[in-house]
Amino acid sequence: QVQLVQSGAEVKKPGASVKVSCKVSGYTLTELSMHWVRQAPGKGLEWMGGFDPEDGETIYAQKFQGRVTMTEDTSTDTAYMELSSLRSEDTAVYYCATIITGMTYWFDPWGQGTLVTVSS
Amino acid sequence: EIVLTQSPATLSLSPGERATLSCRASQSVSSYLAWYQQKPGQAPRLLIYDASNRATGIPARFSGSGSGTDFTLTISSLEPEDFAVYYCQQRSNYVTFGQGTKVEIK
Repeated sequence: QVQLVQSGAEVKKPGASVKVSCKVSGYTLTELSMHWVRQAPGKGLEWMGGFDPEDGETIYAQKFQGRVTMTEDTSTDTAYMELSSLRSEDTAVYYCATIITGMTYWFDPWGQGTLVTVSS
Repeated sequence: EIVLTQSPATLSLSPGERATLSCRASQSVSSYLAWYQQKPGQAPRLLIYDASNRATGIPARFSGSGSGTDFTLTISSLEPEDFAVYYCQQRSNYVTFGQGTKVEIK
């Protein structure tokens, strides 16, 4: 079964960038379509983007276009999400969540989450 | 962007009672809808996919129904571990989530 393990909590200053990692086990990253979802404190879930296997491209939510980059290192089966120009509103728990390409179409499982705090 | 509106925001019920949660889409999503459960400090867990199919390991007391724009998640008899926040999600056009329904103990 797929397991996702994310990197640890981060504290960043406004204007900085953060890069969160998501290590896959149980499957190879090439068998998965990885997505990223965030959750501000006390708020709901917000999809940021992910890999679309039908187009073979990574798609981003309009809100984050130009500020987020999602990449993969297939040699280590690790996915990355980098968010730049951080502001206080970006303080949130960031989750990776995966789809098993060609087998499922829903986010299952999820990583444990990475808290990113943006504060001066 | 497809907007998903969940109601009610909070549902106060006792163990053993039936819970009925609603999710309405701003345009048709066919059956491309899922439900997730989230407990405090935990990642969301997939409960229902394709509107009405239970995910692996999900108890039979959870059921989903609907298509098009109106969807329902029903918990037939609440167990203590079911008190949590529930989110709907569509994948018909990109991905969006509803704002969540909290099921709390009355």
